[in-house]
Amino acid sequence: GEDVEQSLFLSVREGDSSVINCTYTDSSSTYLYWYKQEPGAGLQLLTYIFSNMDMKQDQRLTVLLNKKDKHLSLRIADTQTGDSAIYFCAEILGGYNKLIFGAGTRLAVHP
Amino acid sequence: DVKVTQSSRYLVKRTGEKVFLECVQDMDHENMFWYRQDPGLGLRLIYFSYDVKMKEKGDIPEGYSVSREKKERFSLILESASTNQTSMYLCASSLGQGNNEQFFGPGTRLTVL
Repeated sequence: GEDVEQSLFLSVREGDSSVINCTYTDSSSTYLYWYKQEPGAGLQLLTYIFSNMDMKQDQRLTVLLNKKDKHLSLRIADTQTGDSAIYFCAEILGGYNKLIFGAGTRLAVHP
Repeated sequence: DVKVTQSSRYLVKRTGEKVFLECVQDMDHENMFWYRQDPGLGLRLIYFSYDVKMKEKGDIPEGYSVSREKKERFSLILESASTNQTSMYLCASSLGQGNNEQFFGPGTRLTVL
């Protein structure tokens, strides 16, 4: 069935790189997304990747897509305390553009 | 600047009450969505709408209904609130084209006593 899985928690030291991993199930998904949720706020789109791409880079963010393994990752370089948030992976399904979200990875950045 | 607003940030209701959660978007988007967010479960889709007066059940529609009388407004209704409906409720909208980005409101934290 439809399922997006990601680990629930990641802790990194300030200045290190963070890598958040996600696996999804629908190989026909055209887009895959990373959303960020800061405390007390709604979700905000961080980045997305089209399914015919292997990699997308945007400043400190790098998204890697392995379609064969249905694996998506988000790398944040030089992680800062402001990056502390919950990160959701999502895939798109169906004609009405439904998003299926993972449970979210809580990133904690410590000095 | 795109905007999705929700009528309340925090709401406290009693078991059995009828609850209305309102969501408004100013982007002329076709699609609107209601999710609930619970720790460890991520976001689960309750209902969505792809046009005025049209609605589709999501993954967990039981105990909820929706209304979309105008394009910009999508309401979530709890006919008889129960304690297991205590949650964070998030509304979103999308254009339905391009990268299909969904824009989210700030959320309503509902507590049912």
